[in-house]
Amino acid sequence: QKEVEQDPGPLSVPEGAIVSLNCTYSNSAFQYFMWYRQYSRKGPELLMYTYSSGNKEDGRFTAQVDKSSKYISLFIRDSQPSDSATYLCAMSTTPTVYGSGNTGKLIFGQGTTLQVKP
Amino acid sequence: DADVTQTPRNRITKTGKRIMLECSQTKGHDRMYWYRQDPGLGLRLIYYSFDVKDINKGEISDGYSVSRQAQAKFSLSLESAIPNQTALYFCATGGLVGEQFFGPGTRLTVL
Repeated sequence: QKEVEQDPGPLSVPEGAIVSLNCTYSNSAFQYFMWYRQYSRKGPELLMYTYSSGNKEDGRFTAQVDKSSKYISLFIRDSQPSDSATYLCAMSTTPTVYGSGNTGKLIFGQGTTLQVKP
Repeated sequence: DADVTQTPRNRITKTGKRIMLECSQTKGHDRMYWYRQDPGLGLRLIYYSFDVKDINKGEISDGYSVSRQAQAKFSLSLESAIPNQTALYFCATGGLVGEQFFGPGTRLTVL
């Protein structure tokens, strides 16, 4: 079983729809949760960052973490064709502290491909 | 200018050749990472470095080596390239709370 599971999609929605992207994980030690957006032939770019449980909102994007269920979500409101990309969730146990044995490694989901049709 | 740059952006080579991929960053981060991305497999960590004196293997380091020439430079080498090393390679730097910032990637094809 992978540490982080993410439905690869593809997910196709009409412009203006609300999009829900999700990841589940098995390691209860994860505390830092991130969402990356990756356009075709580009590097992943950090979209949202959340520590522990709760919600975080940034414009049309909302990140949600439910540690009790080991489940994280990214919601996109009023989706636009420019949101068409692959979305990767990522998580880590602790920030890197040099010499502590903590690596700060990120564990990534497989990525969900989203297409928003005009 | 981009914070994390990678060269070359595309490379085609033959089996058995030695290849070096280079990464430079202007973010001032100590931590740097090399990943490869394959369809259906996501991002997998090859090597990471906390500073110029610290190099660590990731989950798929066999067939690869790295060099941290300076805080800002981290190179990945394929000693003897093989076709299953055909992939998209990303360099990343690590921020203070574990977030990572990626370069644009190098598309490597080994024939």
